[in-house]
Amino acid sequence: NAGVTQTPKFRVLKTGQSMTLLCAQDMNHEYMYWYRQDPGMGLRLIHYSVGEGTTAKGEVPDGYNVSRLKKQNFLLGLESAAPSQTSVYFCASSYRGAYSGNTIYFGEGSWLTVV
Amino acid sequence: AQSVTQPDIHITVSEGASLELRCNYSYGATPYLFWYVQSPGQGLQLLLKYFSGDTLVQGIKGFEAEFKRSQSSFNLRKPSVHWSDAAEYFCAVGAPDTGRRALTFGSGTRLQVQP
Repeated sequence: NAGVTQTPKFRVLKTGQSMTLLCAQDMNHEYMYWYRQDPGMGLRLIHYSVGEGTTAKGEVPDGYNVSRLKKQNFLLGLESAAPSQTSVYFCASSYRGAYSGNTIYFGEGSWLTVV
Repeated sequence: AQSVTQPDIHITVSEGASLELRCNYSYGATPYLFWYVQSPGQGLQLLLKYFSGDTLVQGIKGFEAEFKRSQSSFNLRKPSVHWSDAAEYFCAVGAPDTGRRALTFGSGTRLQVQP
């Protein structure tokens, strides 16, 4: 059972470089989410998607873009990385949203450092 | 605006002792409330959730939580802590600015268990 898989797990970027984080889920979930986790701040929602071809902004969307071209994948892009984007990124998915009672499943995280 | 507050950043308990982790929310309507646990270097795992009905909910690993509307609280409890419970614990609520599709998290409480 793969569940929610994130790649890469670790990455070091230079300021101004671009990169894409890939999230893949094999549970046929409609909803997918990207969060970032910083010390003392819990997890903050970056973007989310309620189905293939849809995306929506979360609490901290600036500097990030997302795409959901296939139902099972949710990509998070950093066009021009900044040191403030050094964080641990978590992808999550669920069949329906939090309102439904469906469990939201999390990946194991991607550690990104921007120098 | 709704928010989730976890007043305790760090708690240390002895193995076998009881545990209570505090969570307060600010939200006008009945919230959808969740507790997640994160072991070091891992993703988040759902412990339990509250939507309606019985205000005392049971979760996995022997945890329970009680919803108290009058106190706007959803505290997590365990009668006897095991060393393997050492982790970070997050309270979360269905975020109304996402139509409660996504979760908003508190800043977390780190639990240390002494032998």
